[in-house]
Amino acid sequence: DVKVTQSSRYLVKRTGEKVFLECVQDMDHENMFWYRQDPGLGLRLIYFSYDVKMKEKGDIPEGYSVSREKKERFSLILESASTNQTSMYLCASTPGQGYNSPLHFGNGTRLTVT
Amino acid sequence: SQQGEEDPQALSIQEGENATMNCSYKTSINNLQWYRQNSGRGLVHLILIRSNEREKHSGRLRVTLDTSKKSSSLLITASRAADTASYFCATLRWGSGNTGKLIFGQGTTLQVKP
Repeated sequence: DVKVTQSSRYLVKRTGEKVFLECVQDMDHENMFWYRQDPGLGLRLIYFSYDVKMKEKGDIPEGYSVSREKKERFSLILESASTNQTSMYLCASTPGQGYNSPLHFGNGTRLTVT
Repeated sequence: SQQGEEDPQALSIQEGENATMNCSYKTSINNLQWYRQNSGRGLVHLILIRSNEREKHSGRLRVTLDTSKKSSSLLITASRAADTASYFCATLRWGSGNTGKLIFGQGTTLQVKP
């Protein structure tokens, strides 16, 4: 079974801090994604990566950056955390072109910025 | 904006009844996927239906796809309390560099009462 592991289930950070959310998958998937989930807004795509060192903006990239130095790891970075980034963050991966393959999700990181 | 829109937003039924959730989308698709999310957890893939398929089954789940109406439905038969969760449809949007990304709707929250 594919395993997607997010390093923290819960995280509390202060406004202005630099925050790193880590995601690791163990199935050699090419594609990795970061979504945020908010009540009433569903899942929104922040960034995705289809190869090492490659990244592409999703629908809401402002205030975020990403890093993919190794195939198995995709990091989401909040350069200067703000309270409106309090949310549930979900990482996912899928193989190859991914168009006919399901996404495999981690269990999420619930981030609170105070 | 979200590609897929689920309807209804919330559904409450008794154990043993059938639950039907609908998803509408705006642009042409390669495939449509349904996911389930238990409270506070990541999403789990249920079914993928390709654009040239009209119906697909998996256990107590039945998914239909009508590309002429740009809509899909998820039917859960003989529901159980353990089916209580949020259900999301997702469709593929093509990005730059011939890459694709899954866009999720806001979900339907299903409550199955014992």
